[in-house]
Amino acid sequence: DAKTTQPPSMDCAEGRAANLPCNHSTISGNEYVYWYRQIHSQGPQYIIHGLKNNETNEMASLIITEDRKSSTLILPHATLRDTAVYYCIVRLLTSGSRLTFGEGTQLTVNP
Amino acid sequence: EAGVTQFPSHSVIEKGQTVTLRCDPISGHDNLYWYRRVMGKEIKFLLHFVKESKQDESGMPNNRFLAERTGGTYSTLKVQPAELEDSGVYFCASSLLRGKDTEAFFGQGTRLTVV
Repeated sequence: DAKTTQPPSMDCAEGRAANLPCNHSTISGNEYVYWYRQIHSQGPQYIIHGLKNNETNEMASLIITEDRKSSTLILPHATLRDTAVYYCIVRLLTSGSRLTFGEGTQLTVNP
Repeated sequence: EAGVTQFPSHSVIEKGQTVTLRCDPISGHDNLYWYRRVMGKEIKFLLHFVKESKQDESGMPNNRFLAERTGGTYSTLKVQPAELEDSGVYFCASSLLRGKDTEAFFGQGTRLTVV
């Protein structure tokens, strides 16, 4: 799996958009970008994934650059409950492929 | 729909003892994974089952760890004998074997403390 680089921590004001960057310059053509998060004392939670097009679901939006070497996870209206460690993971979209977690970004949403 | 369930949520054992962790995946999920996070480190993959078969156990740290998934339903992870460095949080995850959306769903984890 390609290595990813994320800032160790970020802060965001409640109600504002949280933009979490991720670099994955060695991503290969058939690897997807996945985002998970881990809220304190809980198991990791799937957020969103994409290949090359921007994606949006009820939780977040994923913006992938045209060269696919970086991406941004956007939480449009962050709440206090979004405080968590966010993991950007690059992996093949084959059933059963493992997740390789890095250190992630600790997002703190402040009131 | 019930999510991935892990038992126990916490376990404190003495060095040298045996502990068995259990994971009940989401019904119908043939993929089952074990991960763990030891203190201060990243979440690491341990192994992957497809139904009752071990597909990939390359992340298992040593032969003190034994995972089983008899019948392809729930799975157990036994640590025998436990060492201090085995302390951490053990996560189980499951996913569909086929389909477009194969994202993994994680349990709440078992916090293991070896003293």
